[in-house]
Amino acid sequence: GAVVSQHPSWVICKSGTSVKIECRSLDFQATTMFWYRQFPKQSLMLMATSNEGSKATYEQGVEKDKFLINHASLTLSTLTVTSAHPEDSSFYICSATITSGNTDTQYFGPGTRLTVL
Amino acid sequence: GQQVMQIPQYQHVQEGEDFTTYCNSSTTLSNIQWYKQRPGGHPVFLIQLVKSGEVKKQKRLTFQFGEAKKNSSLHITATQTTDVGTYFCAGPWDTGNQFYFGTGTSLTVIP
Repeated sequence: GAVVSQHPSWVICKSGTSVKIECRSLDFQATTMFWYRQFPKQSLMLMATSNEGSKATYEQGVEKDKFLINHASLTLSTLTVTSAHPEDSSFYICSATITSGNTDTQYFGPGTRLTVL
Repeated sequence: GQQVMQIPQYQHVQEGEDFTTYCNSSTTLSNIQWYKQRPGGHPVFLIQLVKSGEVKKQKRLTFQFGEAKKNSSLHITATQTTDVGTYFCAGPWDTGNQFYFGTGTSLTVIP
């Protein structure tokens, strides 16, 4: 099946630094990828839709200058958490969709656990 | 905005018992998907339902989409310890292709 990878799988950083997370579709092309964040024991919250070759679409309440998204190719989207603070500590997950017939299957990456000290 | 609630939030069952989680949306859904997330893992796609009143089965799992396309359910028959995890419903509430997740139901199966 389709595989989506994320790098790094976990990262610890100091408050005020920026962290870049990569999301790659390994065996298919994805014009659209999605970024979610998940707090412990909570649901996934959609942050933004990453569009190849154009600006990302952010959900209400998500700061676009705080969470920079770049979808430079059909297989790579990056999320940069700028000037990270402890409240940004979370599990960040990306996904990409493959449409087959009338079924849209969303494949998730393994996630990146960010801890900001 | 759209809200997708799932009940119950938590469920503990004895191995072999049945389990059901319900997903309710404040708006009509074009389709609905179900995912399973194991502790420490990422969501894994289970199924997509598109038609009003649709019922699909995967072995011991039965998925149903309501007639009004505003609710859905997942039923597991004779639970096993491998069924442990959190089950989420999700759907493209808007006209776009974004997916919004329900609140999830965490299932614990007691051996």
